[in-house]
Amino acid sequence: QKEVEQDPGPLSVPEGAIVSLNCTYSNSAFQYFMWYRQYSRKGPELLMYTYSSGNKEDGRFTAQVDKSSKYISLFIRDSQPSDSATYLCAISRMNYGGSQGNLIFGKGTKLSVKP
Amino acid sequence: KAGVTQTPRYLIKTRGQQVTLSCSPISGHRSVSWYQQTPGQGLQFLFEYFSETQRNKGNFPGRFSGRQFSNSRSEMNVSTLELGDSALYLCASRPGGQTYNEQFFGPGTRLTVL
Repeated sequence: QKEVEQDPGPLSVPEGAIVSLNCTYSNSAFQYFMWYRQYSRKGPELLMYTYSSGNKEDGRFTAQVDKSSKYISLFIRDSQPSDSATYLCAISRMNYGGSQGNLIFGKGTKLSVKP
Repeated sequence: KAGVTQTPRYLIKTRGQQVTLSCSPISGHRSVSWYQQTPGQGLQFLFEYFSETQRNKGNFPGRFSGRQFSNSRSEMNVSTLELGDSALYLCASRPGGQTYNEQFFGPGTRLTVL
């Protein structure tokens, strides 16, 4: 079983739609949950980061973590054509000794928002 | 503040050759991580360097190696290139230390192996 699973899509929605992106992970040791956005020919950029279960909101974006189900979500409200990109979930944990572990990524969901 | 820079941006090599990629982290960042991104496997962790020492390593063969210099700049080397090494190689930097902090990615080096 992969450590993190993400539906690769692609996902196509009309402008203004609510978008829901999801990942599941297998190991309850993971403590940090992130969503990255990657535009074509660019490196990933961090959108949202959460540590605990619950919701975190930033403008049109809401990240949700359910540690009991090992399920993380990203919601995009009022989606815009400029949101068209690949969205990657990522998880990590603290290593023994206190250093932050490496990021483990889902395969990414390609989102297209049509005007 | 300048972002993470990677050179070269594009590279074409043939099987059996070796290649060296370079990464300059954000000023003040001491941790540099390398990732390989392919359509089939997605983004996979290669290794992390912190203060010139390899701190963490992914599940890649020994043909993949790296190093970090005293100014935190990092290089990764791939020897005896294989067709399957064609990928986008991403470098990410962060301050380091023992708390969570954001990793900032560079634009990547696109390596094509013929």
